[in-house]
Amino acid sequence: EVQLVESGGGLVQPGGSLRLSCAASGFSFRIFGMSWVRQAPGKGLEWLSAISDSGDSTYYADSEKGRFTISRDNSRETLYLQMNSLRGEDTAVYFCAKDVSRTITHLDVWGKGTAVTVSS
Amino acid sequence: QSALTQPASVSGSPGQSITISCTGTSSDIGRYHYVSWYQQRPGKAPKLIIFDASDRPSGVSSRFSGSRSGNTASLTISGLQAEDEADYYCCCYRSSKTLVFGGGTKLTV
Repeated sequence: EVQLVESGGGLVQPGGSLRLSCAASGFSFRIFGMSWVRQAPGKGLEWLSAISDSGDSTYYADSEKGRFTISRDNSRETLYLQMNSLRGEDTAVYFCAKDVSRTITHLDVWGKGTAVTVSS
Repeated sequence: QSALTQPASVSGSPGQSITISCTGTSSDIGRYHYVSWYQQRPGKAPKLIIFDASDRPSGVSSRFSGSRSGNTASLTISGLQAEDEADYYCCCYRSSKTLVFGGGTKLTV
């Protein structure tokens, strides 16, 4: 079964850091691009970042450039999102998603998400 | 980066058809066929229902169809069923090498 499972979410203070992980199984992780998408409470989907199959190319939404870093470990079939200088508006459910291509086109498999709450 | 524009809500009766529009710019929908649509039920992850503007993944009902013309993409759901009640999001690749989502449309059946 094709599956993505996010972890690493939780409560963090403003200004703090968090690293999210996304464990993949059931498909050839190393040949697909991957993305992170978040959804604030009661709000819509917001694409954050993507990484190519090899990890050589990374892509970011303008709003998060500099604070968030995407990476992947193909040997562990795991995707990561390092988030720094967190603010209240970063409170959201964070989804990882598999692309149908090697880079960025369409997201055909999604995890269930991990919740991040930024609050003192 | 500004989101694609969708109506906040649409509604229809069982058996009817509805269309949700998604307006972008010449830097996204007007330039690339990488338009996708996602269905999201409350508390669940989004599900891909249309890709490449008009193609359906295997397993998605043929009642869902998509199109693209100029800077606008559309999702049509025919023969509405109660189970179609959900939020729908359009998405497109943009020339800045990013993806951009629409604000989402709540469908009430």
